[in-house]
Amino acid sequence: GENVEQHPSTLSVQEGDSAVIKCTYSDSASNYFPWYKQELGKRPQLIIDIRSNVGEKKDQRIAVTLNKTAKHFSLHITETQPEDSAVYFCAAIRRTAGNKLTFGGGTRVLVKP
Amino acid sequence: GAVVSQHPSRVICKSGTSVKIECRSLDFQATTMFWYRQFPKQSLMLMATSNEGSKATYEQGVEKDKFLINHASLTLSTLTVTSAHPEDSSFYICSARDRDREPSSGNTIYFGEGSWLTVV
Repeated sequence: GENVEQHPSTLSVQEGDSAVIKCTYSDSASNYFPWYKQELGKRPQLIIDIRSNVGEKKDQRIAVTLNKTAKHFSLHITETQPEDSAVYFCAAIRRTAGNKLTFGGGTRVLVKP
Repeated sequence: GAVVSQHPSRVICKSGTSVKIECRSLDFQATTMFWYRQFPKQSLMLMATSNEGSKATYEQGVEKDKFLINHASLTLSTLTVTSAHPEDSSFYICSARDRDREPSSGNTIYFGEGSWLTVV
């Protein structure tokens, strides 16, 4: 089955700086890669996603890049703000295989004012 | 947007009893729902895939007789934790796939609010 590794596990940045989280996946057939933001005790919130036929996607301060050959994808948050502090999860899915999401281990991001 | 409702949001039960958690898709039909467990400061771990009208598919290491899943309609799946023990205390969260939404159109998976289970 799919295995998703996520690094770093914790990330502390100064407000206004950029944050980068990296994930690798094992199943070359995975074709959809969502990123979630989760606050304590709440449901994961989809913040951005990318399909395997796209190399990069951007939405305001958030961007995701995908390298299918290397099987890794990254989340980039620019101009970080204190409200960006949360736990972020990457995930991978093979849409032809029942849509089971496999999550990375999570990154706890702390943005210091 | 699509809404998935999960109840109860918090439940405390005595050790040895059973507790049921419901997951409902409110504005779409879901032939497939997923149940995850999340321990504090850990990731979401898939427990089982709930299939409407058929048996659930459990992930390796998850006891099917302990975590009973029923998906009797296109909008409701239930997870029953039987003979609960303190080590079953966790955050349980469901997700549902909109069967009528094409994957190429973007996200098709929606999460419930989660349920905190505390077994005392």
